[in-house]
Amino acid sequence: QSALTQPASVSGSPGQSITISCTGTSSDVGGYNYVSWYQQHPGKAPKLMIYDVSNRPSGVSNRFSGSKSGNTASLTISGLQAEDEADYYCSSYTSSSTQVFGGGTKLTVL
Amino acid sequence: QVQLVESGGGLVKPGGSLRLSCAASGFTFSDYYMSWIRQAPGKGLEWVSYISSSGSTIYYADSVKGRFTISRDNAKNSLYLQMNSLRAEDTAVYYCARAFLEWAPFDYWGQGTLVTVSS
Repeated sequence: QSALTQPASVSGSPGQSITISCTGTSSDVGGYNYVSWYQQHPGKAPKLMIYDVSNRPSGVSNRFSGSKSGNTASLTISGLQAEDEADYYCSSYTSSSTQVFGGGTKLTVL
Repeated sequence: QVQLVESGGGLVKPGGSLRLSCAASGFTFSDYYMSWIRQAPGKGLEWVSYISSSGSTIYYADSVKGRFTISRDNAKNSLYLQMNSLRAEDTAVYYCARAFLEWAPFDYWGQGTLVTVSS
């Protein structure tokens, strides 16, 4: 159950777009369309932002989008806003019937 | 509205035990899979365990297998995590979260309860 691989940090200026990658294996990310993305502000519980690779829950801004190619999933945030500054985690269902998270990416809005 | 409230965290010595609880409200608890997910101080999220809606299917992360036991009481709308043989590396905020199916996303999370394992 190795953690999925995410960049430790990304940054962007307000209004710009950024993309966070999440790399796994054919036993998790590559094998299922069950990749989710979570946003976590300091001291708060994580919040679901994207599920099933590219679906947004009700209430989540359409500035957030997800995609997948092979064993790598991606989260794109367009029109960056100061409130987007947070930690972001990907997760995937696995062939062992478990869930695995990425190591997390700290997004800084410059 | 959906609410998940964890309790039972605290300071425990290495080798000790602790039982966490998660009280659910605002939804039909017995319809949902429930999970425990933890986050060590300054670290990322780690999935710990899940239990199916009926309690018949349970899975654990390798890091806690044989030491932790997940259970639920649908009549009391409650989820539990019995943690035995605790180690320093179990120190974390423990969140409960719900998912509609085994492979479904965690759409609601509690605020977490802190477990500290230290002598």
